[in-house]
Amino acid sequence: DQQVKQNSPSLSVQEGRISILNCDYTNSMFDYFLWYKKYPAEGPTFLISISSIKDKNEDGRFTVFLNKSAKHLSLHIVPSQPGDSAVYFCAASAPAGGTSYGKLTFGQGTILTVHP
Amino acid sequence: DTGVSQNPRHKITKRGQNVTFRCDPISEHNRLYWYRQTLGQGPEFLTYFQNEAQLEKSRLLSDRFSAERPKGSFSTLEIQRTEQGDSAMYLCASSEDRGRETQYFGPGTRLLVL
Repeated sequence: DQQVKQNSPSLSVQEGRISILNCDYTNSMFDYFLWYKKYPAEGPTFLISISSIKDKNEDGRFTVFLNKSAKHLSLHIVPSQPGDSAVYFCAASAPAGGTSYGKLTFGQGTILTVHP
Repeated sequence: DTGVSQNPRHKITKRGQNVTFRCDPISEHNRLYWYRQTLGQGPEFLTYFQNEAQLEKSRLLSDRFSAERPKGSFSTLEIQRTEQGDSAMYLCASSEDRGRETQYFGPGTRLLVL
């Protein structure tokens, strides 16, 4: 079962505009969420995270919004730059304890292309 | 560079051969994770180490897979009798042992089984 879903396989945006990447989850135990960016032939690079006690976290051009009731999070990139073109993964984890030790459950990824 | 390193970066092998990958985590990180990523999918959890103890294994980790972290520093992932379905990117990540710490990933080892 796909507990974390990114329903948009790709997104194309003009440079300078806003990019909005979406992610849905089904496991109500998830309480910590992260976004990673991945270039071809490289490992995922951490971008930003959010705990379930918050509904927004901002870091420079990147803002993550969390809607717990809808089990939905989104990543906003403003303004988008051509160097942002990459695959973006959302990931979630449940509290440590029992059989969970902080492993991440990833979505399938969204390919973002920012055109100059 | 004090990031997570993985070796080799690429491995091509014939079906039935054994392969071993190595991961060197960030030096002060006690937690170490292995993930596998196939084309068009996100990384999937394989196993987790807290120092030298292997505390969690995914059902994806069949009997042919074994991972070790003998001294709580570097880790190895061995695949015995490789199959074509093992072809994937194998990713290692590490994090500090304090609550909900961010996992930092290495560049991965891309395995191709012919």
